[in-house]
Amino acid sequence: SQTIHQWPATLVQPVGSPLSLECTVEGTSNPNLYWYRQAAGRGLQLLFYSVGIGQISSEVPQNLSASRPQDRQFILSSKKLLLSDSGFYLCAWSGQSGNTIYFGEGSWLTVV
Amino acid sequence: AQSVTQPDIHITVSEGASLELRCNYSYGATPYLFWYVQSPGQGLQLLLKYFSGDTLVQGIKGFEAEFKRSQSSFNLRKPSVHWSDAAEYFCAVGARNTDKLIFGTGTRLQVFP
Repeated sequence: SQTIHQWPATLVQPVGSPLSLECTVEGTSNPNLYWYRQAAGRGLQLLFYSVGIGQISSEVPQNLSASRPQDRQFILSSKKLLLSDSGFYLCAWSGQSGNTIYFGEGSWLTVV
Repeated sequence: AQSVTQPDIHITVSEGASLELRCNYSYGATPYLFWYVQSPGQGLQLLLKYFSGDTLVQGIKGFEAEFKRSQSSFNLRKPSVHWSDAAEYFCAVGARNTDKLIFGTGTRLQVFP
């Protein structure tokens, strides 16, 4: 069966520091991969979407970036964090032929 | 414009009572519809989905949802709520030729003993 892992689960970072959140999917090949952000009291915002290695679509302008160095690995990065980057970040995947999205456990980021 | 509306931000029910969470959508294509549940500090878990066929779909944890095309709704129901159902519930809509989902803003369910 397919599983998705993301880490770290919790992160406290100072303003201006870099960020790297990592996500891997197991048990499937060539998945679509997603990064969502969930700010406190708000819904889910799609940040990045990838259909293959090196193919990244950005949904919103921001100081975050994403990369997909391997088929089942998706990384969310920032060179300099802002206070407004605080939130709950969720990695997700879907199959190429399916429309169902499955989520990881999430990563709490607090920028101080 | 494509959108999902969950009109109830917060719902409180007693344990054992019935539950209905509302979801309305606006979508140009034939919709694929989903309900997810999120426990505090956790990721989202898929409860059920509707692609086609029988408009009443059964999901995990005793939940069901009914697709009503005429009302553009996909309400989630459970006949008897358990304390462990306390969580946030998200409705989402997608389509056959897209891998992106549009999510509602969620409904937080509180269950009293």
